[in-house]
Amino acid sequence: KAGVTQTPRYLIKTRGQQVTLSCSPISGHRSVSWYQQTPGQGLQFLFEYFSETQRNKGNFPGRFSGRQFSNSRSEMNVSTLELGDSALYLCASSGTRKNTEAFFGQGTRLTVV
Amino acid sequence: AQTVTQSQPEMSVQEAETVTLSCTYDTSENNYYLFWYKQPPSRQMILVIRQEAYKQQNATENRFSVNFQKAAKSFSLKISDSQLGDTAMYFCAFIVSGNTPLVFGKGTRLSVIA
Repeated sequence: KAGVTQTPRYLIKTRGQQVTLSCSPISGHRSVSWYQQTPGQGLQFLFEYFSETQRNKGNFPGRFSGRQFSNSRSEMNVSTLELGDSALYLCASSGTRKNTEAFFGQGTRLTVV
Repeated sequence: AQTVTQSQPEMSVQEAETVTLSCTYDTSENNYYLFWYKQPPSRQMILVIRQEAYKQQNATENRFSVNFQKAAKSFSLKISDSQLGDTAMYFCAFIVSGNTPLVFGKGTRLSVIA
């Protein structure tokens, strides 16, 4: 069974640009969550989607948005990039409605210059 | 607010020895799940072990075991017979039953020395 796949693995963007990250969950999993990981703040929850609906949202500005498609694949978009958005973005999928077991992808390393 | 505290930013252990990583958490909920995740240099977060709060028996997975003290809100990870491949960041996390996200601690960087 394939794991959680995140693309791309690395990205370099310029301030003010926008970026889209992709996450393909484990087959059969309907919940996808996104986390931002930085050395200073650690792992912070961005949002979670279940069956194409946003179920939870973390405390991030509106520049951060996401969506989930009917095949459970999810995308995360960040507009008007700032230097502080440089981070590792991790996606996790869960096969249970209560997210009691989450499996992570390898992440996308975003660098904003 | 629900929080997770890992008081040891860094630890080291000799190969084949045993090491214990500490974790405390705070929640007013009664039903929740606790986890230890490992993040090696490859960056992938790997689930090491999981504990359901309603289970009194401590979870074990091969060389990994936990000491779950619900009243004290403590959830430590013991790694026996440490191996070089155990070198990684270890994150303690929990989730309250229901539609809530994982809450992570800041992590403990473990180095296994040959």
